[in-house]
Amino acid sequence: ELKVEQNPLFLSMQEGKNYTIYCNYSTTSDRLYWYRQDPGKSLESLFVLLSNGAVKQEGRLMASLDTKARLSTLHITAAVHDLSATYFCAVDISRGSQGNLIFGKGTKLSVKP
Amino acid sequence: DVKVTQSSRYLVKRTGEKVFLECVQDMDHENMFWYRQDPGLGLRLIYFSYDVKMKEKGDIPEGYSVSREKKERFSLILESASTNQTSMYLCASSFAFGIADAYNEQFFGPGTRLTVL
Repeated sequence: ELKVEQNPLFLSMQEGKNYTIYCNYSTTSDRLYWYRQDPGKSLESLFVLLSNGAVKQEGRLMASLDTKARLSTLHITAAVHDLSATYFCAVDISRGSQGNLIFGKGTKLSVKP
Repeated sequence: DVKVTQSSRYLVKRTGEKVFLECVQDMDHENMFWYRQDPGLGLRLIYFSYDVKMKEKGDIPEGYSVSREKKERFSLILESASTNQTSMYLCASSFAFGIADAYNEQFFGPGTRLTVL
């Protein structure tokens, strides 16, 4: 069974602190996506990681992909309140009958002053 | 910018009603998807379509059907709505699988929050 596991599922941080969200997956894939969802809103694309060793950065967020370990990380640096949202990773399994992305359950991040 | 639109943001229906959710994308994407999102369960794929008139079942197709008569439009149909279909429904689209040098990033619509009473 294909699994995409995010860890942690809930994260409460103080402003200014650093933290990492982990995304482990159980199938071979060299493409992974990170999305952000604000409460009551839809999913917004954050990062597209297309190969082993890929690293992308946008502001205080940095995503990386290790396809050999089947692991992606989303690192938060010096968190601010505006980063409060739910973050999803999604693994690309384009040849599967389940459609091309399998999503993790999401990590709900709350950044407090 | 890719734009995916959904016909309603909020919808309230009664048990047994037939419900249509419409999704339109303007990027000439081959693939379109319907998900439902429930607390604690994440996104679950209901159906997807990789071409006009083509469809494939996802993880939870029971109680749903779909229609894709035009490339830009993908409809989700609840034949006889039930209370356990109360959920947020998200439509997404992407380019075709496996296009060289392209990736399969999905672009999402704003969602339809459906309540079945």
